[in-house]
Amino acid sequence: DTGVSQDPRHKITKRGQNVTFRCDPISEHNRLYWYRQTLGQGPEFLTYFQNEAQLEKSRLLSDRFSAERPKGSFSTLEIQRTEQGDSAMYLCASSWGGISYEQYFGPGTRLTVT
Amino acid sequence: AQRVTQPEKLLSVFKGAPVELKCNYSYSGSPELFWYVQYSRQRLQLLLRHISRESIKGFTADLNKGETSFHLKKPFAQEEDSAMYYCALSRGGGATNKLIFGTGTLLAVQP
Repeated sequence: DTGVSQDPRHKITKRGQNVTFRCDPISEHNRLYWYRQTLGQGPEFLTYFQNEAQLEKSRLLSDRFSAERPKGSFSTLEIQRTEQGDSAMYLCASSWGGISYEQYFGPGTRLTVT
Repeated sequence: AQRVTQPEKLLSVFKGAPVELKCNYSYSGSPELFWYVQYSRQRLQLLLRHISRESIKGFTADLNKGETSFHLKKPFAQEEDSAMYYCALSRGGGATNKLIFGTGTLLAVQP
């Protein structure tokens, strides 16, 4: 499967713990996005990378959230001191730059904070 | 503020009936509009985008800038069309292209 992959697919953690998610984009794609989706809502933008540079962060991304994309390949999203409100599906997407706007989504990581 | 509104959470139709999934947007510039679809147990995927002006799986969507709408239509629904449909917009012109999604409409096609 050469699509976007995410790991883990499910994560259950206790409040206050730190968690880290990984996203592997389609190899030729230089743009990478993180979204969060809660029940009954559409995906909400969190942050965007072009190559290794993090170019935009949503106000949804509190100080407890940090994302990296070393060497412009895979990306990680870390949540420190998790709260119950962080329970959601975390989606990663990648795309080409330029005129192609299609974003290819991964299967998501479902986080449950107990 | 940039916003996408999908007024219907659920749309239930019978097989062979016409389908229209409504989408209205709020954006001050010239956005790109998309429809994404998520079938059961599958990942979110692009269905169509307004710049392509194409028909995918019998679905079409026309951008109406006057009414700021991008409704998705299909003349004859099929059971395999049952899925969650999200309307989304992004800024055009090679910017971030982050997607702003609506809350989605669940289409249920009854046999």
